Amino acid sequence: GQNIDQPTEMTATEGAIVQINCTYQTSGFNGLFWYQQHAGEAPTFLSYNVLDGLEEKGRFSSFLSRSKGYSYLLLKELQMKDSASYLCAVMDSNYQLIWGAGTKLIIKP
Amino acid sequence: IAGITQAPTSQILAAGRRMTLRCTQDMRHNAMYWYRQDLGLGLRLIHYSNTAGTTGKGEVPDGYSVSRANTDDFPLTLASAVPSQTSVYFCASSDSETGQQGYTFGSGTRLTVV
Repeated sequence: GQNIDQPTEMTATEGAIVQINCTYQTSGFNGLFWYQQHAGEAPTFLSYNVLDGLEEKGRFSSFLSRSKGYSYLLLKELQMKDSASYLCAVMDSNYQLIWGAGTKLIIKP
Repeated sequence: IAGITQAPTSQILAAGRRMTLRCTQDMRHNAMYWYRQDLGLGLRLIHYSNTAGTTGKGEVPDGYSVSRANTDDFPLTLASAVPSQTSVYFCASSDSETGQQGYTFGSGTRLTVV
C-alpha cells in the first residue's frame, strides 16, 4: 500500500528553527510537495522536490532523499504566523498526489 | 476573481437529500480535483479531471459524481447524502497533469449531514 508518515504535532519557540520530517512509501515517485494549511483555510503550496537535495526558499527549505523515501521541511526564524499544519504529499506513478495527515506546528512566544 | 471559487461555504444537509457542491476556476487550468479532509486523515481524492470532457475516480469515489462540461467548472454531486459524508470538501486545480507547479485550492465547503 501507499503510505505517508509525518508527526502529528510539534511545538517550537518563536525565533527558533524546526524540522518537520516526512517518510513515504508509494507506487512510483514523481515529486514531493509541502503545503501549509492554517486552521479553517485551504492548503497553500510551499515547495516541490523531484531531485535529491535541498531547495531553499526564504525562511523555508525542503530536502529530499529518494533512496531513503525521506523528506524534511525546515523552517527558520519562526514567527507566530507559522503556526499551521504542514502537509507532505507525494505524486505517485499515476501522477496522483498521496497526502500525509499533516503536522500541526504550534509556535510559542 | 483570480483562483478557485467554491460554493456554498458551509451547509447542513438532511440525510437522503441530493446536493451539488460548486467549483469554478478562472486560471484556465486543465486538471481539477475534489478532495475531502477529515480530522486525523490526509486529504483524500474523490474524483479528478485531467481535461474538459474527462473524469476519473479517486480513492473514495462512492456516493459522489462529477462532470466536466468545460474548463472552468467542476461540480461535485452527492446523490443521496449520508452522515459519513460529513467533511470539509476542497476543490483544487493545476496547470498540468503532473501538477509540478503545485495545486491551487479553493477555500472549501464544510458539509454536515444530519
